[in-house]
Amino acid sequence: DAGVIQSPRHEVTEMGQEVTLRCKPISGHNSLFWYRQTMMRGLELLIYFNNNVPIDDSGMPEDRFSAKMPNASFSTLKIQPSEPRDSAVYFCATEGDTGELFFGEGSRLTVL
Amino acid sequence: GNSVTQMEGPVTLSEEAFLTINCTYTATGYPSLFWYVQYPGEGLQLLLKATKADDKGSNKGFEATYRKETTSFHLEKGSVQVSDSAVYFCALSLSGGYNKLIFGAGTRLAVHP
Repeated sequence: DAGVIQSPRHEVTEMGQEVTLRCKPISGHNSLFWYRQTMMRGLELLIYFNNNVPIDDSGMPEDRFSAKMPNASFSTLKIQPSEPRDSAVYFCATEGDTGELFFGEGSRLTVL
Repeated sequence: GNSVTQMEGPVTLSEEAFLTINCTYTATGYPSLFWYVQYPGEGLQLLLKATKADDKGSNKGFEATYRKETTSFHLEKGSVQVSDSAVYFCALSLSGGYNKLIFGAGTRLAVHP
């Protein structure tokens, strides 16, 4: 298996633009997580899906952030409009049968 | 609330030195405890875990023992290698509900030849 696949790996955009980050989970993993990593705040859980349904979105910072999982093989995290303080590395992770989380390589977002 | 506190980095060691990275936790229930490692430019990978008090997790020469009395889960390795240079995250997960990991701030380890 190729693991959790995220795209893009790097994105630089200007304030106010829409950003869409994508995640392809490991086949058969029913739980999917979006995390944000910054120097100041460390790793923060943004949202958790189970069987494509959002279960806990209490970590989503504000209405500018939205996440979807239209099917078992794809999820998106969207920021509209983006702001400089959204600059971070965004990780997607999925959960295996043993409870281990498998992380993607992350999407590094820079908002100018 | 539930939280994880790790020693601040960076930790700089020479090859073959002994490593300890301290981790303590606060939890309302009986958590499972984890160490994840993040190599440069990569996502996090599970290094080891322990699910109950006195359990010892081990992998790749790293060990950590779940100490309920001191609410600690310190990471140790007897002889580090340059390839161990990475950021190490301690985390907890509470039983019941879903596997919501709460991470510490991470400790950067740099090992020099």
